[in-house]
Amino acid sequence: SQQGEEDPQALSIQEGENATMNCSYKTSINNLQWYRQNSGRGLVHLILIRSNEREKHSGRLRVTLDTSKKSSSLLITASRAADTASYFCATPQGGSEKLVFGKGMKLTVNP
Amino acid sequence: GAGVSQSPSNKVTEKGKDVELRCDPISGHTALYWYRQRLGQGLEFLIYFQGNSAPDKSGLPSDRFSAERTGESVSTLTIQRTQQEDSAVYLCASSLAGSGNYGYTFGSGTRLTVV
Repeated sequence: SQQGEEDPQALSIQEGENATMNCSYKTSINNLQWYRQNSGRGLVHLILIRSNEREKHSGRLRVTLDTSKKSSSLLITASRAADTASYFCATPQGGSEKLVFGKGMKLTVNP
Repeated sequence: GAGVSQSPSNKVTEKGKDVELRCDPISGHTALYWYRQRLGQGLEFLIYFQGNSAPDKSGLPSDRFSAERTGESVSTLTIQRTQQEDSAVYLCASSLAGSGNYGYTFGSGTRLTVV
């Protein structure tokens, strides 16, 4: 079942600009995770934010979580061409350990 | 190993044949997951193994799909009598116990093409 849903579905920006991606989800969560996928292969875990956290940073990445709105955002600052990829948000389904992934958002950073 | 290893990386098979996909998780990761990703789509959950517990098979799309895992090591995903709709990238991931608290580490996937 679909849990997270990224918005927008595609984003094209110039190198050096910031990119913001949003994720909305439906049910209560204990954490939300963001992943990156290059070239349709394995996903890379970027960052995990817990339900009692509001903001988290990792390098050029900034993630926020608003549990009252059931939404999260991923901000990539000073984007680079190498950031071109698909980005997915994921949340644990119910009380289980498996993650449910959104459909993904394609980011293109033009040099 | 240092990462999750999947083999083969690419597989082309004829419709009706059986295929077996292999996943070697990170040593010490008790949880192992299989997902399927059709072209341009999101990830579709297939099956989840956690230690010696009964696997969660709720995502398997039909009885043509099955998976095994020996202890906390290698897993194989078998698709019998393949159909063209089975064409996709099959992704394996592992994590420490309680993936709700730890991220997944994914393999590079097996791209299956059924002709």
